[in-house]
Amino acid sequence: EAQVTQNPRYLITVTGKKLTVTCSQNMNHEYMSWYRQDPGLGLRQIYYSMNVEVTDKGDVPEGYKVSRKEKRNFPLILESPSPNQTSLYFCASRVRSTGELFFGEGSRLTVL
Amino acid sequence: KQEVTQIPAALSVPEGENLVLNCSFTDSAIYNLQWFRQDPGKGLTSLLLIQSSQREQTSGRLNASLDKSSGRSTLYIAASQPGDSATYLCAVSPLMDSSYKLIFGSGTRLLVRP
Repeated sequence: EAQVTQNPRYLITVTGKKLTVTCSQNMNHEYMSWYRQDPGLGLRQIYYSMNVEVTDKGDVPEGYKVSRKEKRNFPLILESPSPNQTSLYFCASRVRSTGELFFGEGSRLTVL
Repeated sequence: KQEVTQIPAALSVPEGENLVLNCSFTDSAIYNLQWFRQDPGKGLTSLLLIQSSQREQTSGRLNASLDKSSGRSTLYIAASQPGDSATYLCAVSPLMDSSYKLIFGSGTRLLVRP
């Protein structure tokens, strides 16, 4: 089954404790991206990657890092999480021919 | 700057009713428009994708139209069912944006009453 898989789905952590949210897709898509969803602000792009070893900032990259060492994986790294990073995070990958985006199930992160 | 608006913000209908969800966008220079469904605590499920050159797309009981010149799209749901209850989001991909990001509306929360 074609899918985008994120882990963990739920996480409660404390300020300053580094964490990584993993994202993996099995559709051989070149393009992947991360979004966060917040009440009243909707979904906003954090980072994106056009291909392996090619990443760039989206609209709200502060406090986040990403890496793209393999085509299928695109982890989101929070080096020193803060409470304002409490959010619902989505990873997505894109079909090159149509531009359609497929999203993962989401990762709900709470930073205390 | 592209902005996407969805009206109404919430909608409650009895089962079996046909309904229309509206989406408007401010800049007609788009690559495509996508409709998603989001269930509470779940991810976004892609429902329909309309390329900028297309006028409509259909999938089962769903039909989405696109009028790029007026900056509007509608999602038509025929014979609604309680299982259709969810939040529906529309999103556009700006044409000249190399990030391929989607600009999302704030969604319409739909409740279909049995």
